[in-house]
Amino acid sequence: GQQLNQSPQSMFIQEGEDVSMNCTSSSIFNTWLWYKQDPGEGPVLLIALYKAGELTSNGRLTAQFGITRKDSFLNISASIPSDVGIYFCAGPGSGGSNYKLTFGKGTLLTVNP
Amino acid sequence: SQTIHQWPATLVQPVGSPLSLECTVEGTSNPNLYWYRQAAGRGLQLLFYSVGIGQISSEVPQNLSASRPQDRQFILSSKKLLLSDSGFYLCAWSGQGSRADTQYFGPGTRLTVL
Repeated sequence: GQQLNQSPQSMFIQEGEDVSMNCTSSSIFNTWLWYKQDPGEGPVLLIALYKAGELTSNGRLTAQFGITRKDSFLNISASIPSDVGIYFCAGPGSGGSNYKLTFGKGTLLTVNP
Repeated sequence: SQTIHQWPATLVQPVGSPLSLECTVEGTSNPNLYWYRQAAGRGLQLLFYSVGIGQISSEVPQNLSASRPQDRQFILSSKKLLLSDSGFYLCAWSGQGSRADTQYFGPGTRLTVL
């Protein structure tokens, strides 16, 4: 099946620093989704990307849909303590049903005040 | 705006007991609905999805079943729980057609089977 390689697995940063994480796939993805999950809660959709090359911002978050359609990155600028959590990339690969999402394994972000 | 609710938030059940988890969506009509299980270690596994009332597709053979008695209600059930059914259960909704790929998750139910 399709797989998403998400990196890094974890990050420990100081408050105020910028963060970058990415996902890559061996196959083409038609949509890239970025979620954040706090402990004990459901994932919250941060940004959805639908076109190759698309660059979208949501406050301090910026995400891009790679031109090759096989990768995406998420940047967080000027991190704050509430950015702590697990960030997932996800998307439906091409050639299959668009409701079947493939998820990355997540990036655990820790922000030291 | 759309909201998705799940209850209960937490549940502790003995092995062999029945299960019923409920999910409801507000602010949209005719959504696709999904049940996921998230094991420790982050991975999300799609269990069931539904494109309409009474229409359920199972992704993984298991001890669980799902039903959709109303347009915006999705229920996850079991007749007899196993220890391996413990986990974090997430309901999600999406639009249909081309926007079925953008899914929104509920707050989840933490199930512990003892």
